[in-house]
Amino acid sequence: AQRVTQPEKLLSVFKGAPVELKCNYSYSGSPELFWYVQYSRQRLQLLLRHISRESIKGFTADLNKGETSFHLKKPFAQEEDSAMYYCALGEKLTFGTGTRLTIIP
Amino acid sequence: GAGVSQSPRYKVAKRGQDVALRCDPISGHVSLFWYQQALGQGPEFLTYFQNEAQLDKSGLPSDRFFAERPEGSVSTLKIQRTQQEDSAVYLCASSSHTGVYEQYFGPGTRLTVT
Repeated sequence: AQRVTQPEKLLSVFKGAPVELKCNYSYSGSPELFWYVQYSRQRLQLLLRHISRESIKGFTADLNKGETSFHLKKPFAQEEDSAMYYCALGEKLTFGTGTRLTIIP
Repeated sequence: GAGVSQSPRYKVAKRGQDVALRCDPISGHVSLFWYQQALGQGPEFLTYFQNEAQLDKSGLPSDRFFAERPEGSVSTLKIQRTQQEDSAVYLCASSSHTGVYEQYFGPGTRLTVT
């Protein structure tokens, strides 16, 4: 069975500091991985997917098949990055439990 | 253009009542998904439609849950004889293609069973 683990429920980071949101997955095959984000009072929306290799809002995520990880990173946190972040896997998305990121001004 | 819409946004039901939750996907989107999100958890997959065909209902938690998309656009998720454990946010998402593509989510329906 496929599974996504986000070990941190809460993460607080100072503005301007680097951010790393951890995601590990369990999947037998070639994984399709996503990061979705939910800002306050907004709906869930796609932030990035591994296959596109894009940097969105300064965030990047690299798929590491050896470590079965897809951590989300940003070198300099901004206040508008405060949100709930979900790592997800597959076509019928399997989500992690999410990490609430708070950027401290 | 309009995104995915869901109605009602909030629903309170007494235990044992039947409820119907509606999803209007983005026009022309082929794929439609339903997810259930319990408090403090990530969304969990319930069922998937490709046009009007329900291709996967493996996530429906019991036979009290039923979903349909008769004309390949609007979808309804019905829960019969609601139980307290059905309290959750029900999310609908649509996608322009089949396969692994971006899903566009609705705002969700928060169901509270008392």
